[in-house]
Amino acid sequence: GNSVTQMEGPVTLSEEAFLTINCTYTATGYPSLFWYVQYPGEGLQLLLKATKADDKGSNKGFEATYRKETTSFHLEKGSVQVSDSAVYFCALNTPGGATNKLIFGTGTLLAVQP
Amino acid sequence: EAGVTQFPSHSVIEKGQTVTLRCDPISGHDNLYWYRRVMGKEIKFLLHFVKESKQDESGMPNNRFLAERTGGTYSTLKVQPAELEDSGVYFCASSQGTTSYNEQFFGPGTRLTVL
Repeated sequence: GNSVTQMEGPVTLSEEAFLTINCTYTATGYPSLFWYVQYPGEGLQLLLKATKADDKGSNKGFEATYRKETTSFHLEKGSVQVSDSAVYFCALNTPGGATNKLIFGTGTLLAVQP
Repeated sequence: EAGVTQFPSHSVIEKGQTVTLRCDPISGHDNLYWYRRVMGKEIKFLLHFVKESKQDESGMPNNRFLAERTGGTYSTLKVQPAELEDSGVYFCASSQGTTSYNEQFFGPGTRLTVL
């Protein structure tokens, strides 16, 4: 079945460090891929998405490239800030259905220290 | 424009009791989803409404869970009777359509603790 695997956390970085959060997926068909972020006390927000192979999603300095050959969608940011501290979820949709339900990974807690 | 709202934000109940969670989607969004995150694990899909109809309820864990969306506006998710393993964060999301281009907007979640 469809699934998402993302790296375990927590990830602790100093401000201005480079961030990578790994995400790989298993899916039939051609899913779209997403990164959601949950800041403390808030709901999930869509951070970025990519709908086909080789697409790059980007937002707020974060980037992720849809790699079909490696079934990956790793999240990167060149210089993290304290305000980036949050839980990050990788997700995919289920193509071809009428539901468009999302399948999530377990989430990765990022803590950025000043 | 108001986002997706959920009530209550927290609920603590005893095993065997009943709890009802409420979700108000963004106005005009026909699609409403319920998801759950248990014990820091992945967020799992529970069910999907299109207006007042259940489009997909394949993720509902058992018949102790009942979701409704009368009138196609807000939705409720009732757990009766609650068990310890039902503890977790319940998220609601809404969207205008069901393609990958239709973003699902999430509420802040309801944290349910069953003692």
